[in-house]
Amino acid sequence: AQSVAQPEDQVNVAEGNPLTVKCTYSVSGNPYLFWYVQYPNRGLQFLLKYITGDNLVKGSYGFEAEFNKSQTSFHLKKPSALVSDSALYFCAVRDLGSGNTGKLIFGQGTTLQVKP
Amino acid sequence: SQTIHQWPATLVQPVGSPLSLECTVEGTSNPNLYWYRQAAGRGLQLLFYSVGIGQISSEVPQNLSASRPQDRQFILSSKKLLLSDSGFYLCAWRGRSGWWGAGGYGYTFGSGTRLTVV
Repeated sequence: AQSVAQPEDQVNVAEGNPLTVKCTYSVSGNPYLFWYVQYPNRGLQFLLKYITGDNLVKGSYGFEAEFNKSQTSFHLKKPSALVSDSALYFCAVRDLGSGNTGKLIFGQGTTLQVKP
Repeated sequence: SQTIHQWPATLVQPVGSPLSLECTVEGTSNPNLYWYRQAAGRGLQLLFYSVGIGQISSEVPQNLSASRPQDRQFILSSKKLLLSDSGFYLCAWRGRSGWWGAGGYGYTFGSGTRLTVV
């Protein structure tokens, strides 16, 4: 079965420090991977995705993610955290068994807390 | 440009009352539509998805139902709400063509409905 895991419920980082939010996946074929961010009482916003190509993907708001096939990971990173980055982050993978329905499998989410 | 509207933003309903949440998409045609529930501010549970008018697939057995009476309209309903139906409900859509390509961006989510059943 395909799955996505975000091993940390919460990540705390000081403003200006680099941040990493971890994601690992398990799929039977080539993964399509996504990161979304959710601010309180809002819908999810797309940050970035990996489909193919360069393993380092750059996205919105200065975020990037590195696809590592051997470690089946897709960690989200940012060189210098901002207080405004504090939010709930979701990793997702396309459900390869869903045909054209395009279903995404989401991780449980990681709360990022950036302190001044 | 494509937009997605979801309403109401918040709703407080008594146990046993009916429910109707509406989601509409503009600026696209024949989208795939999804209803998710987010409990306790964390994980997302896919409730229903639809690949076309009148075509509804349910992911989990529950007290809710969904309908798609028009191409860009997706409705989540219940005849009698339970306390356990409380949560944050999110509608999402994705386009058909180019979704996996360079221009694709996965899902676009609505702003959500906070449902509290009392």
